[in-house]
Amino acid sequence: DAKTTQPNSMESNEEEPVHLPCNHSTISGTDYIHWYRQLPSQGPEYVIHGLTSNVNNRMASLAIAEDRKSSTLILHRATLRDAAVYYCVPNAGNMLTFGGGTRLMVKP
Amino acid sequence: DVKVTQSSRYLVKRTGEKVFLECVQDMDHENMFWYRQDPGLGLRLIYFSYDVKMKEKGDIPEGYSVSREKKERFSLILESASTNQTSMYLCASSSDRVLKKLFFGSGTQLSVL
Repeated sequence: DAKTTQPNSMESNEEEPVHLPCNHSTISGTDYIHWYRQLPSQGPEYVIHGLTSNVNNRMASLAIAEDRKSSTLILHRATLRDAAVYYCVPNAGNMLTFGGGTRLMVKP
Repeated sequence: DVKVTQSSRYLVKRTGEKVFLECVQDMDHENMFWYRQDPGLGLRLIYFSYDVKMKEKGDIPEGYSVSREKKERFSLILESASTNQTSMYLCASSSDRVLKKLFFGSGTQLSVL
């Protein structure tokens, strides 16, 4: 199974960019990398996914290292509503495996 | 938007009781999943299903069973609830078996006394 390593927590100021790192050195060449976030008292919600090249959507950007051993989720301007736990999730085999994630705190 | 509805937000049961957790999705998704979430352990997959009447074990199936009689409904069953099954239970669905973009319900916080 692909394993991931994320910081337990990070802090950001409101309206500043946030870079959330994830190491996934055991990921295979065909495994997509997903990111989800979980707001308080809610189930996780999909944020973005990618395979090799960088990806953008209305919520965030995903930068994937050339060797695919790591990726970074980028929130371009953090808001208070972005305070959540962010999960980097390799899509390997039959299931998505969620680790502990990174708790992002956003200061006004 | 996809909606995944879990029947109860909070549930309190006694040790030894049979417990049913219900999950319904409204987007005709073939794939459905049950996770449990515990502090410090992240989300762990209990069971999943890729079709009606089909089920596969996840990482921690012991003490649980599932039922998928209709495409939109996936039930998690605790045959004899125990205190170590106190947890947040999350149901999810997806339309794509390969990509597995998951849509989650809001969760059921189960307390077994």
